[in-house]
Amino acid sequence: EAGVVQSPRYKIIEKKQPVAFWCNPISGHNTLYWYRQNLGQGPELLIRYENEEAVDDSQLPKDRFSAERLKGVDSTLKIQPAELGDSAVYLCASSLRTGEQETQYFGPGTRLLVL
Amino acid sequence: AQTVTQSQPEMSVQEAETVTLSCTYDTSESDYYLFWYKQPPSRQMILVIRQEAYKQQNATENRFSVNFQKAAKSFSLKISDSQLGDAAMYFCAYRSAFGEYGNKLVFGAGTILRVKS
Repeated sequence: EAGVVQSPRYKIIEKKQPVAFWCNPISGHNTLYWYRQNLGQGPELLIRYENEEAVDDSQLPKDRFSAERLKGVDSTLKIQPAELGDSAVYLCASSLRTGEQETQYFGPGTRLLVL
Repeated sequence: AQTVTQSQPEMSVQEAETVTLSCTYDTSESDYYLFWYKQPPSRQMILVIRQEAYKQQNATENRFSVNFQKAAKSFSLKISDSQLGDAAMYFCAYRSAFGEYGNKLVFGAGTILRVKS
């Protein structure tokens, strides 16, 4: 079974430019997460989707970040315009809600460098 | 809000030896889940082991075991017979069992584990 797929793996942009990340979760997983991982730190949740509904976006900087999961499968995270402080690894994870036995499976991440 | 603290930025272990990674957490909840994730240099985060707070028995997965001390809010990971492939960043994570935070993983800052041959 294929794991969580993310693209691109690496992205270098200049500040004020837009950037987008794509995630395809494990087939059948209805819950999708976007995390941001700064260098030397643990991941922090940006947004969580249940199917196509964003149920927790309290940590998403909505002035410049947006996300969508239109058909409840793959998802896109966008930053416009990017700032120097956005340099980080953006991780996507998915899970299949099976009561309390939920396990989140992570993708390889997209490493973003803003110059 | 819940917090997770990993006080060891870096640890080293000799191949075939045993190493213990520390984790403490802060919560006012009585029911929750704790996890150890491994992140090799390729950056794919992999679940190592999980523990349900309502279970007194410590979880074990082959060479990996935990020491869960609920009263002390401590959740350490023991790796026995360390192998070169164990070298990675290890993250301790907390997940509430309730409400709006029920799915959110709260991670510690991580511990880099180096394995010497």
